[in-house]
Amino acid sequence: QVQLVQSGPEVKRPGASVKVSCKASGYTFTNFGISWVRQAPGQGLEWMGWISVYNDNTNYAEKFQGRVTMTTDTSTNTAFMELRSLRSDDTAVYYCARGGDADHWGQGTLVTVSS
Amino acid sequence: DIQMTQSPSSLSASVGDRVTITCRASQDIRDYLAWFQQQPGKAPKPLIYAASRLQSGVPSKFSGSGSGTDFTLTINSLQPEDFATYYCQQYQSFPWTFGQGTKVEIK
Repeated sequence: QVQLVQSGPEVKRPGASVKVSCKASGYTFTNFGISWVRQAPGQGLEWMGWISVYNDNTNYAEKFQGRVTMTTDTSTNTAFMELRSLRSDDTAVYYCARGGDADHWGQGTLVTVSS
Repeated sequence: DIQMTQSPSSLSASVGDRVTITCRASQDIRDYLAWFQQQPGKAPKPLIYAASRLQSGVPSKFSGSGSGTDFTLTINSLQPEDFATYYCQQYQSFPWTFGQGTKVEIK
């Protein structure tokens, strides 16, 4: 069955970077893109960007341009999302999801940014 | 960017009720619309894609309709496990965008 398993929670200082992983299984990894979505405490869902696993094309929300990098490693069927220059308002649960219609989601990774 | 506006933001309903949530896009997105259900502390659960197609394993009490700019999610015979927050998302053009969510609460 399709599974997306994300890395564990992170605590970071303001100004630091975080890299969240999303390991896929149960399907051909290169056949679907991966979206990244975040949810701040008590808030709604916010789309961060998308990467084509097939050709590594990316599309980022303007809000994160210059601070985010999405990559994949097809040898391990893993997608990564790195967010730099962290601020306190980046504290959120970060999710990966498969494909444009997001038919499968990872369990989420809590990133806490605090001094 | 395409703005997605859900209404209402919240609603109260009783077990057994039928509820309808509306999602409006600021421009034509054809049928590139998905609906998700989210329980507190859990990842969103996909319900519908392509505006009206049920994701695998989703019960038929959920239905979606619409095309272009106006969409609806209908839940028939509301059960306790259906009380949650529901989100729409367009994936017709980048940046993909979510509605602000509709919280369905128990009356």
